This record gives sequence, structure tokens and C-alpha cells, in this order.
Amino acid sequence: GAVVSQHPSRVICKSGTSVKIECRSLDFQATTMFWYRQFPKQSLMLMATSNEGSKATYEQGVEKDKFLINHASLTLSTLTVTSAHPEDSSFYICSASDATNEKLFFGSGTQLSVL
Amino acid sequence: GNSVTQMEGPVTLSEEAFLTINCTYTATGYPSLFWYVQYPGEGLQLLLKATKADDKGSNKGFEATYRKETTSFHLEKGSVQVSDSAVYFCALIEGRRALTFGSGTRLQVQP
Repeated sequence: GAVVSQHPSRVICKSGTSVKIECRSLDFQATTMFWYRQFPKQSLMLMATSNEGSKATYEQGVEKDKFLINHASLTLSTLTVTSAHPEDSSFYICSASDATNEKLFFGSGTQLSVL
Repeated sequence: GNSVTQMEGPVTLSEEAFLTINCTYTATGYPSLFWYVQYPGEGLQLLLKATKADDKGSNKGFEATYRKETTSFHLEKGSVQVSDSAVYFCALIEGRRALTFGSGTRLQVQP
């Protein structure tokens, strides 16, 4: 069964609204979580890395005020897309790693469509 | 920077056909190489990996060999099944835990 649960799997929202995506590790403590984004026919691109209890590290070109990442517990990280615009429409996927860095599991992804 | 290039899909094959999905990479050093698979409605799952040159990763009948001289890590399977229909991602890690992915290749296997 899935060891990382990501919700929702699909969301459609109006421009200007905020959308929250959750990523939960089900049977291990995720000390590090990664958030990726994929545009059609392009690679999965790393957006940010978050460690439990500390601020996320964002990749170059990713707006931290637009993509809010919270990793307040060892089993939950959230990505909030604030004031979403149509150009934010994309596939977002999380992955979680434990403290040993031996485990790396992915969520099933969220397809965001902003109208 | 690092990058991964893989063939565009979709790749459509008949059951029991031979599969090759090409993957080449660019890296500054000696990365570890991976193939991930995503079945419909599920997360990415590690299919196989290789950590050094000439290593061969294998799992579920799939194989890939780390070729440093050609910077390639092509995925092969001798006889595909309908259940192999999925999206396949080639990826690398070099020095950090975050993966650098290719764009993914959708495989459709017809009965």
C-alpha cells in the first residue's frame, strides 16, 4: 500500500483563490520532504526542500511567498498555492525521506487547474 | 547543471514485444541513476537503480545498465505485459537527496 498519501489528487479552482495540498507519510517519520512540479511534456522540477520544524529551502525561480510550505510535523507537509493564476496550473508531487535517507517515497500527485 | 533526457512517448507496443526506453544524462560527477514508474492513480515507485558505472539494475524483468562512456541508462524489457502500462521516469541523484528527473515516457501495452 501507499506509504505517502497526497491529497487532493485533482483540484480545479478560480483565479485568485488559494489551494492547499497535503502530503502525509503513513508509516515512517519524514524528516525531509520534497515538492516537485511538472508542466506538460516537461520534467519534474524540484520546487523546494523542507525539513521538519524549519523553513523550506526554495529552488531558484520559485516564489516562496506564492508557494507556502509548512512541515510542522514528521508526518505532514503542506504546499499552499496562494492567489493562484492559470499559469500555476500544473502537476504537483511530493516525496518524503526518513532520517537515514534510505527511504524515499512519492505521493500520487495533484493535478491543479486554475481557471 | 544536471539534466536527464528521455525519449518522448507515448510508446505503444503489443504484449510480449521488446521494450527500450532511452535515457541519457548530464552530470558534473558520478551520479546514481534510477528508473521510477508511475501506474495510473499511484505515486512514483522505484523500479531499479545503479550507483556506479557498468552496474546493471534489474527488477520485474526490467533492466538498465549504467554506461558512463555514453552517459546513458536505457531501460529494457524482453517481453512486456499489459500490466506494464505506466509512465516511466529516468532520474539521477548527485550529492543531494533531491532527484533530477527526465520528462517521463508513457508506455501503452496492447493485448
